[in-house]
Amino acid sequence: KAGVTQTPRYLIKTRGQQVTLSCSPISGHRSVSWYQQTPGQGLQFLFEYFSETQRNKGNFPGRFSGRQFSNSRSEMNVSTLELGDSALYLCASSSGHTSYEQYFGPGTRLTVT
Amino acid sequence: GDSVTQMEGPVTLSEEAFLTINCTYTATGYPSLFWYVQYPGEGLQLLLKATKADDKGSNKGFEATYRKETTSFHLEKGSVQVSDSAVYFCALMARGSGGGADGLTFGKGTHLIIQP
Repeated sequence: KAGVTQTPRYLIKTRGQQVTLSCSPISGHRSVSWYQQTPGQGLQFLFEYFSETQRNKGNFPGRFSGRQFSNSRSEMNVSTLELGDSALYLCASSSGHTSYEQYFGPGTRLTVT
Repeated sequence: GDSVTQMEGPVTLSEEAFLTINCTYTATGYPSLFWYVQYPGEGLQLLLKATKADDKGSNKGFEATYRKETTSFHLEKGSVQVSDSAVYFCALMARGSGGGADGLTFGKGTHLIIQP
């Protein structure tokens, strides 16, 4: 079974721009979660989508948004980029049921200049 | 809110040494507990999990036991190898208000260095 894929792997943007990151979950998985990893704050939960609906949300500003498509692929959007948004963005997929096991992709490294 | 505390390191050991990485947590209810490992330039890999008190998770020689009375989930390995060098994250997951999982809450990560 193919693992979680994320595109692009690296991205450089300028402050004030917006960015869209993509995640394809493991085949058959219906839940996709997004995390931000920075040296200062560590790993933080952004939000989770299940069957095209946002089911849970972390404590991030509204500039961070996402969506999920009928094939379970998910996109994350960050508008009005700030320098502090530079991070590794990780996507994780799971079946969405009670096992709660999440499988992570390699991440997208976003640099904001 | 929920939180996870673990030693940050770096922890440096010689090959074949015994490993313990301490992890304690604070959470309401009965969270599921996990250890993830991250190699340089890669995402996180699930190492092991435990979903209820006294459960022992194990994988690749690593073990951890869910201790509800001490709110701990310490990671152990009897004999480490150079290839075990990585960053190890302890994490918990509680049921979210929207159903399903409320996202993983991670510790800061422990950087493990194994010397030949």
